[in-house]
Amino acid sequence: SQKIEQNSEALNIQEGKTATLTCNYTNYSPAYLQWYRQDPGRGPVFLLLIRENEKEKRKERLKVTFDTTLKQSLFHITASQPADSATYLCALEWNNDMRFGAGTRLTVKP
Amino acid sequence: NAGVTQTPKFRILKIGQSMTLQCTQDMNHNYMYWYRQDPGMGLKLIYYSVGAGITDKGEVPNGYNVSRSTTEDFPLRLELAAPSQTSVYFCASSYSSVSNQPQHFGDGTRLSIL
Repeated sequence: SQKIEQNSEALNIQEGKTATLTCNYTNYSPAYLQWYRQDPGRGPVFLLLIRENEKEKRKERLKVTFDTTLKQSLFHITASQPADSATYLCALEWNNDMRFGAGTRLTVKP
Repeated sequence: NAGVTQTPKFRILKIGQSMTLQCTQDMNHNYMYWYRQDPGMGLKLIYYSVGAGITDKGEVPNGYNVSRSTTEDFPLRLELAAPSQTSVYFCASSYSSVSNQPQHFGDGTRLSIL
């Protein structure tokens, strides 16, 4: 069955560094992949969408890559700030609905 | 623009009770969804709707029912609450086909079944 794995439950980094979050999937080839941010007690907020024929997408300090051979997406936050602390979810298109990973909780320390 | 609004924010139910979780959106989106989120797990799709009068099951529909009489509203009903339904429930909407459109989420209903 399809499986989505985000690299770790938690990631701690120092302010100013680049955070790299990983989303791996198996047994499927999604046409689209999305990344969301979720703050405690709030619903997820859409950040970026990348298509299977796109290798990379950027938005301000955010960058997403999509490697369909490795079945992996990487999500980068450059020049990280304490305000970037949140849980980040990846979501894959699957048979006309979305399947979400469990998320990675990022903490950026000043 | 309020976006997606869910009520109530919190609720405690006894086993066997029933309740309706409300969801309304003001973005004129055709697609609406209900998810549940359990600790350490990804969001699981319960039901979705592609327009008024049309609903379909998601990954985990057992124990739930939905209706979509208007574009704006998509209530989720629990008929006989069970402890396994303790979770955070999120409603979401999107303009069109889920895969290439962002989903807009409400802030959730935290439900405990005791």
